[in-house]
Amino acid sequence: DVKVTQSSRYLVKRTGEKVFLECVQDMDHENMFWYRQDPGLGLRLIYFSYDVKMKEKGDIPEGYSVSREKKERFSLILESASTNQTSMYLCASSLLEGRGSYGYTFGSGTRLTVV
Amino acid sequence: AQTVTQSQPEMSVQEAETVTLSCTYDTSESDYYLFWYKQPPSRQMILVIRQEAYKQQNATENRFSVNFQKAAKSFSLKISDSQLGDAAMYFCALMEYGNKLVFGAGTILRVKS
Repeated sequence: DVKVTQSSRYLVKRTGEKVFLECVQDMDHENMFWYRQDPGLGLRLIYFSYDVKMKEKGDIPEGYSVSREKKERFSLILESASTNQTSMYLCASSLLEGRGSYGYTFGSGTRLTVV
Repeated sequence: AQTVTQSQPEMSVQEAETVTLSCTYDTSESDYYLFWYKQPPSRQMILVIRQEAYKQQNATENRFSVNFQKAAKSFSLKISDSQLGDAAMYFCALMEYGNKLVFGAGTILRVKS
């Protein structure tokens, strides 16, 4: 069964900490995405990547960075966590454009609380 | 900019009845894709149904069907014979050129037994 795996289901971090959220997919997908999900706002795109070592800003990149050193792994980094980054974070992957129009495969999310 | 609007924050339906979830969107493109995703309490996003904008025929997947009105930019989801397992958050999403999905705010569906 194909999968997108997020390393943590729940995380609690302190304000100012550097936080790493890890995502691994086993489907050989080119595209990978990070979204945050907040009540009443739906899912908002933070960053995405079309290939190894490539990254593009989404709609809300401020306070975040990403790393994609290998095709199967896409990491989201909170350089200095703040309480307004408390949220659910969802990772997703898809095939290249054209074939990717069949939608994304999602991980099961990481609920991050910053205290 | 592309936007997706789900105007119903919550909906309720009686088991075995039919319910329709609304979605409108805005795009300047003529070629795009529309999706409905389901997110149960487990948080795993599940693709429910997909529609290609250049196809006039409405997509159907078992008890799930859509009413796609391209001119009105409307994409509603109909769930027939509702089951307890249909209770979830439902997201409408739009994909244009570039493979990025834009999501609506979601509709919580409650199913009453």
